[in-house]
Amino acid sequence: AQSVTQLGSHVSVSEGALVLLRCNYSSSVPPYLFWYVQYPNQGLQLLLKYTTGATLVKGINGFEAEFKKSETSFHLTKPSAHMSDAAEYFCAVSVLGGATNKLIFGTGTLLAVQP
Amino acid sequence: GAGVSQSPSNKVTEKGKDVELRCDPISGHTALYWYRQSLGQGLEFLIYFQGNSAPDKSGLPSDRFSAERTGGSVSTLTIQRTQQEDSAVYLCASSLALRGGGRETQYFGPGTRLLVL
Repeated sequence: AQSVTQLGSHVSVSEGALVLLRCNYSSSVPPYLFWYVQYPNQGLQLLLKYTTGATLVKGINGFEAEFKKSETSFHLTKPSAHMSDAAEYFCAVSVLGGATNKLIFGTGTLLAVQP
Repeated sequence: GAGVSQSPSNKVTEKGKDVELRCDPISGHTALYWYRQSLGQGLEFLIYFQGNSAPDKSGLPSDRFSAERTGGSVSTLTIQRTQQEDSAVYLCASSLALRGGGRETQYFGPGTRLLVL
């Protein structure tokens, strides 16, 4: 069965510092992996996704993630944090069972950006 | 273009009452999903609709929960005899038809915040 683990429920960085949010997955088949961001009182917005092909995926707002099969990881990074990056981030794996497509989410990482 | 919309944005109800939550997916999206986001359980899948196929209800937590999708577009999630543990944010998402085996992006609405007193 597929699952996702996000290490660190809270991460705090200084403005301008590197952002690293960790995600490890478990999947018996090649996974499709997603990162979503949720701002306060809003829904989820897709940052980026990995399906096939290039393992380094670039997303919106300067974020990127690298799929590493050997480490079963899909960590999210951004070279320089902005105050506007403060939000909750969710890693997810797509589960295809029969005719159903659903996302299994990690528990989320709340990112705080200090001035 | 218009995104996924949900109504109401907030709902306060008394224990034991029924509630209906509405979702309008992105036009042309044939797949529709409901998820629940709560402090104790995180983000959980509830139900999935794809075109005219029978829905996947495997995530519904009890028989008090039901959902329908009329005309392949708007969906309503109904919770009967609400309990305090039903308090959560209910998120709806939609995507294009399932062709790529799960690689389609799901687009989320802003959610309905349900509080059961």
